[in-house]
Amino acid sequence: DARVTQTPRHKVTEMGQEVTMRCQPILGHNTVFWYRQTMMQGLELLAYFRNRAPLDDSGMPKDRFSAEMPDATLATLKIQPSEPRDSAVYFCASGLGTSGRSPKTQYFGPGTRLLVL
Amino acid sequence: QQQVKQSPQSLIVQKGGISIINCAYENTAFDYFPWYQQFPGKGPALLIAIRPDVSEKKEGRFTISFNKSAKQFSLHIMDSQPGDSATYFCAASRRGQETSGSRLTFGEGTQLTVNP
Repeated sequence: DARVTQTPRHKVTEMGQEVTMRCQPILGHNTVFWYRQTMMQGLELLAYFRNRAPLDDSGMPKDRFSAEMPDATLATLKIQPSEPRDSAVYFCASGLGTSGRSPKTQYFGPGTRLLVL
Repeated sequence: QQQVKQSPQSLIVQKGGISIINCAYENTAFDYFPWYQQFPGKGPALLIAIRPDVSEKKEGRFTISFNKSAKQFSLHIMDSQPGDSATYFCAASRRGQETSGSRLTFGEGTQLTVNP
């Protein structure tokens, strides 16, 4: 049963600390998305990668957020320094895009619930 | 700029009733309209999707109705069950080209409660 995995599932940290969230996409998927979900803003796309290359990260605050794919099985989202307003659930999703088209279906992980005090 | 607007924000339905959630979009270049279902503590999961070349798509108790001229689409859940209680998100994208425009734009979400 292939699924997207995310670690950690929960994270509580203090303002100013670095936070690293990890995602393992479904094996064979070539597109990875990072979303942030809050009550106020709903689901927001932060960044997405195709074949490990960043395709769009315009939704991500550049000064403190960074996203990378060191290899095809790992995507990371870092926040440094973290702030209370970063408190949210962060979802990773993966999909298979073909022929220059975005994936028809995005498979979401269970999310990382982040609380910054 | 909210390109996909969803209503209602919350919905309470009795078991066996019909749940209807509506979405409206602005970008006429959108060509793919999925609905995602999210249970508490879980990530969203694709429920059903439609392309604009058809006006309706049905999968079991779930139906999408699509009105291209009005730029609206809706999800109908027939014979609603307590197990359908979840948050539902509509979304839209332009799949034809791998650009920033092909990202999924989500609606605000509708929290559905089906009472037994």
